[in-house]
Amino acid sequence: QSVLTQPPSVSAAAGQKVTISCSGSSSNIGSNFVSWYQHLPGTAPKLLIYDNNKRPSGIPDRFSGSKSGTSATLGITGLQTGDEADYYCGTWDSSLITDVVFGGGTKLTVL
Amino acid sequence: EVQLVESGGGLVQPGRSLRLSCAASGFTFDDYAMHWVRQPPGKGLEWVSGISWNTISIGYAGSVKGRFTISRDNAKNSLYLQLNSLRPEDTALYYCVKSITSARASSSFDHWGQGTLVTVSS
Repeated sequence: QSVLTQPPSVSAAAGQKVTISCSGSSSNIGSNFVSWYQHLPGTAPKLLIYDNNKRPSGIPDRFSGSKSGTSATLGITGLQTGDEADYYCGTWDSSLITDVVFGGGTKLTVL
Repeated sequence: EVQLVESGGGLVQPGRSLRLSCAASGFTFDDYAMHWVRQPPGKGLEWVSGISWNTISIGYAGSVKGRFTISRDNAKNSLYLQLNSLRPEDTALYYCVKSITSARASSSFDHWGQGTLVTVSS
């Protein structure tokens, strides 16, 4: 049972747009920055978004992030078959029970 | 080029110990906090432990607190994780992860190793 809640799967056609939601609470998303990761099978996870909406160098602007209250959203436009992967949100948790919490992951299928 | 290379994983019996190492290169190691994140087979990512650049600030997930110990040697550009009293539920791919900041309090990890597999089974 993950602290952050993501939909298990999403799908959309190539060229279209998809959004992935991440829901938390006041002790995590509500008071801290959110990061998003892309995880392709057999590879190391890749940082897509940090500080809610910033992209590391080399990440195309097809990927975007936003946050409102205790929820965050990852948006991907111009979907490509290479975008098929698992996507995870993560954030710091101020509850003192743990430091970093991740969502359970969302499997993106590009139709 | 940033490289993080983990080692030390393997098959171990419940209750035994293991020490994971991570050799870092391509960046100024002592400028950044470092973390361990694991992924059990068929499951999602789980944060395990983190350490600030100067080792003053350390944190653990509740599931490993009291059993795992994180450390770093800035002179050797290396990160370590001592795993004691291992349980079957500790079976996972363990990733060495670089933070984007020097402080421990961040969930932004910009470089990940390829992972080392720990299997706890009798």
